Amino acid sequence: DVKVTQSSRYLVKRTGEKVFLECVQDMDHENMFWYRQDPGLGLRLIYFSYDVKMKEKGDIPEGYSVSREKKERFSLILESASTNQTSMYLCASSLPTGGKQFFGPGTRLTVL
Amino acid sequence: AQSVTQPDIHITVSEGASLELRCNYSYGATPYLFWYVQSPGQGLQLLLKYFSGDTLVQGIKGFEAEFKRSQSSFNLRKPSVHWSDAAEYFCAVGAHTGNQFYFGTGTSLTVIP
Repeated sequence: DVKVTQSSRYLVKRTGEKVFLECVQDMDHENMFWYRQDPGLGLRLIYFSYDVKMKEKGDIPEGYSVSREKKERFSLILESASTNQTSMYLCASSLPTGGKQFFGPGTRLTVL
Repeated sequence: AQSVTQPDIHITVSEGASLELRCNYSYGATPYLFWYVQSPGQGLQLLLKYFSGDTLVQGIKGFEAEFKRSQSSFNLRKPSVHWSDAAEYFCAVGAHTGNQFYFGTGTSLTVIP
C-alpha cells in the first residue's frame, strides 16, 4: 500500500522558533509538494520539488524553505515561526508525468 | 492564469438525496482534473480523475464526474448520498508535466438524516 507519512500530526511551537516538518514517501516518486490548508482558502502550494536537491517556489513561499537531500524525503522549514503560520500543512507526492498526488495525513501546526 | 473555482462553500443534503458539487477551472492547456475528499482530521483521498477519453468518469464510493470542455467544468455527482459522505471536497487541476497543481477552496458537505 502506497504511503506518504508526516512526522507529526500535531505540533505546538513558539514565535521565533525554527520548525521542521518532515515528509517521507515510499513510492519512489520524483515530485513532492508542500501545501498549507486554511479555512476558506483551500490548499495553497508553498514549494515543490521535482528531483533531489531541486525545488521551485509555489504560490506562498515567503517565510518557508525546503530541503530535499534524498528522493523519499522532503522537509519544510520555518526559519522563524510566526503566528500567521498556524495552519494545517499537507505533504504530497506524484510521478513526474502528471497524475494524481498522494497526500500525507497532515500536520496541524500551532504557533503561540 | 490558472485557477479552480468551487462556487459552493457549504452544501447540506438529506441522506439518500442526490448530490452535485460544482467545479469550474481556468487553464491554458488540456488539463488533468481531479476530485479529492478530506474527512475530518485526515489527508486528501483521490475520488476520481480525468486525463482524456470518456468525459464521464467513475470514481470510488459511487461518485462520478463529467468533464465539459465547453463549460470549463468538472462537476462531481452521486445519485444517493450516505451519511459517511460528509466531508470536505476539493476539485483540482494539474499540468501534464506534473509540476503544477491548483486546488479549489473546497466545498463542505453536511448530510442530514
